[in-house]
Amino acid sequence: QVQLVQSGSELKKPGASVEVSCKTSGYTFTSYAMNWVRQAPGQGLEWMGWINTNTGNPTYAQGFTGRFVFSLDTSVSTAYLQISSLKAEDTAVYYCARRYCGGNCYTDYWGQGTLVTVSS
Amino acid sequence: DIQMTQSPSSLSASVGDRVTITCRASQSISSSLNWYQQKPGKAPKLLIYAASSLQSGVPSRFSGSGSGTDFTLTISSLQPEDFATYYCQQSYSAPITFGQGTRLEIK
Repeated sequence: QVQLVQSGSELKKPGASVEVSCKTSGYTFTSYAMNWVRQAPGQGLEWMGWINTNTGNPTYAQGFTGRFVFSLDTSVSTAYLQISSLKAEDTAVYYCARRYCGGNCYTDYWGQGTLVTVSS
Repeated sequence: DIQMTQSPSSLSASVGDRVTITCRASQSISSSLNWYQQKPGKAPKLLIYAASSLQSGVPSRFSGSGSGTDFTLTISSLQPEDFATYYCQQSYSAPITFGQGTRLEIK
């Protein structure tokens, strides 16, 4: 069965960096793009962008350029989100989510989420 | 960017009720509209894709309709496990955008 398993919660100080991993199984990793979605505490869902797992080409939503980097290791079917120069407002749950595109596109499988807390 | 507006923002209902949540797009998105359910502390779960297609494994009490700019999610007979927050999402064009969510609470 399809699974996306994310790395555990992180507590970081402002200015530090963090890497969130998303290990997949149960399907061909390079056949589906990967979305990243942020959810700040008590807030809604915000699309951060996606990465083409075939080419490695990332697309970032406005507001997620510069400090945010999507990457892949196809040898272990894993996607990564790196955030640098962390700020308090980066505190959120970050989700990886598989992007399925047939006639329409949608996000059919989600990781369990990784809570990143930025606090001094 | 395409703005997605859900209504209501919150809703109180009883087990067995029929509930409808609406989602309006700021421009036509054809049928590129998806619905997700999220329970506290959990990842969102896909319910409906392409406006009206039921995701595998989702109970048939959930249904979706609409096209263009106006869409609805209907739960025909609320069950205790349906109390959650619901989000619409447009996948017509980047950036993908979500509605602000509708919190469905027990009356």
